[in-house]
Amino acid sequence: DTEVTQTPKHLVMGMTNKKSLKCEQHMGHRAMYWYKQKAKKPPELMFVYSYEKLSINESVPSRFSPECPNSSLLNLHLHALQPEDSALYLCASSRGANYGYTFGSGTRLTVV
Amino acid sequence: RKEVEQDPGPFNVPEGATVAFNCTYSNSASQSFFWYRQDCRKEPKLLMSVYSSGNEDGRFTAQLNRASQYISLLIRDSKLSDSATYLCVVNMAGTASKLTFGTGTRLQVTL
Repeated sequence: DTEVTQTPKHLVMGMTNKKSLKCEQHMGHRAMYWYKQKAKKPPELMFVYSYEKLSINESVPSRFSPECPNSSLLNLHLHALQPEDSALYLCASSRGANYGYTFGSGTRLTVV
Repeated sequence: RKEVEQDPGPFNVPEGATVAFNCTYSNSASQSFFWYRQDCRKEPKLLMSVYSSGNEDGRFTAQLNRASQYISLLIRDSKLSDSATYLCVVNMAGTASKLTFGTGTRLQVTL
């Protein structure tokens, strides 16, 4: 299994909703990442988990809350988002940054 | 200066052409280098790693020049299916856990 699976593929949510994005990999990778990508821009790092512990938070607003329940799963909990948070949210995993990442296909989020 | 810089393009080339992209990075102690390809509304996919000795994968050749801090990607015999955005990606020194992405170079191959 060489894939990173993200669900849902599309999500529309209101500004008062609470939702979660899910990411799963079974490659034995111990580093997992959340990235945000706006149209015509490169991916921007949000969070890094290494061995199930949060190692990097790139000053992301608290309305985004990551969680790593186990070595294969990564969640991103969303609450009280703003329309400007609409973007493609990408999960990735790796053996380590020196090896490059494998990305999931992303969740396209629209906040209304 | 941006950490990883690329010419955004677009590069419009005919099928069969050879096209080259360059990328510069700011941190001379950077350790790992990659080219990713991203199709419209899709996730980035690893195209190839870039090694100091240069490396080739079919029609694609990547080169690293540490002295000048730039990375290149050469595509020979361009195909329509090569149309995509090519992202230069660097593991900056001191950031063991993360990769830094360039803004990407858009390639459009035409008939």
